[in-house]
Amino acid sequence: DTGVSQDPRHKITKRGQNVTFRCDPISEHNRLYWYRQTLGQGPEFLTYFQNEAQLEKSRLLSDRFSAERPKGSFSTLEIQRTEQGDSAMYLCASSLAGLRDEQYFGPGTRLTVT
Amino acid sequence: AQSVAQPEDQVNVAEGNPLTVKCTYSVSGNPYLFWYVQYPNRGLQFLLKYITGDNLVKGSYGFEAEFNKSQTSFHLKKPSALVSDSALYFCAVIKIGGTGGSYIPTFGRGTSLIVHP
Repeated sequence: DTGVSQDPRHKITKRGQNVTFRCDPISEHNRLYWYRQTLGQGPEFLTYFQNEAQLEKSRLLSDRFSAERPKGSFSTLEIQRTEQGDSAMYLCASSLAGLRDEQYFGPGTRLTVT
Repeated sequence: AQSVAQPEDQVNVAEGNPLTVKCTYSVSGNPYLFWYVQYPNRGLQFLLKYITGDNLVKGSYGFEAEFNKSQTSFHLKKPSALVSDSALYFCAVIKIGGTGGSYIPTFGRGTSLIVHP
């Protein structure tokens, strides 16, 4: 299966700790997106990359959040000093450049902050 | 700002009956519209999209959707529901044009479709 993969699938951490998630997109896709999804809500946009450039960030992405895509392939999302409100499913998606292209989603990383 | 409304949290239908999952959107311009499905413990999967042209769009698994500009709606339909269609369905909109060229979709809250045997 050459779809979008995310690691880990589940993460439990204590408040105040740092966590890092990884996303591997479909290899030929040059756009990569991060979303957050909470129960009963649709995905909420966090940030996206075209190749290695981070082109847009949501106001949801506080300064405790940082994302990188150093070589235009995989991406990491780091949350520093986690808070209980950060508990959510973090989704990654990729697509080919072009407004018409649908996004392909990974299975998500479920973060629980205790 | 763009927004999507899915007015029903849950839709129940008997297997073999037609189904409709509703979506309305608000965007200051022309939209790109998408439907995604999320099965338990799986990532969102693309079903279909409307870009331009024919208002009736056909997608995966026998689903189709009708774009209605005057009603700003993009309802998802299937003529005969299957139990395996039971899942969470999300509508999404992207605004076309304007400055900046944003490619960010806005998703609805989702509608849980339950198909009874």
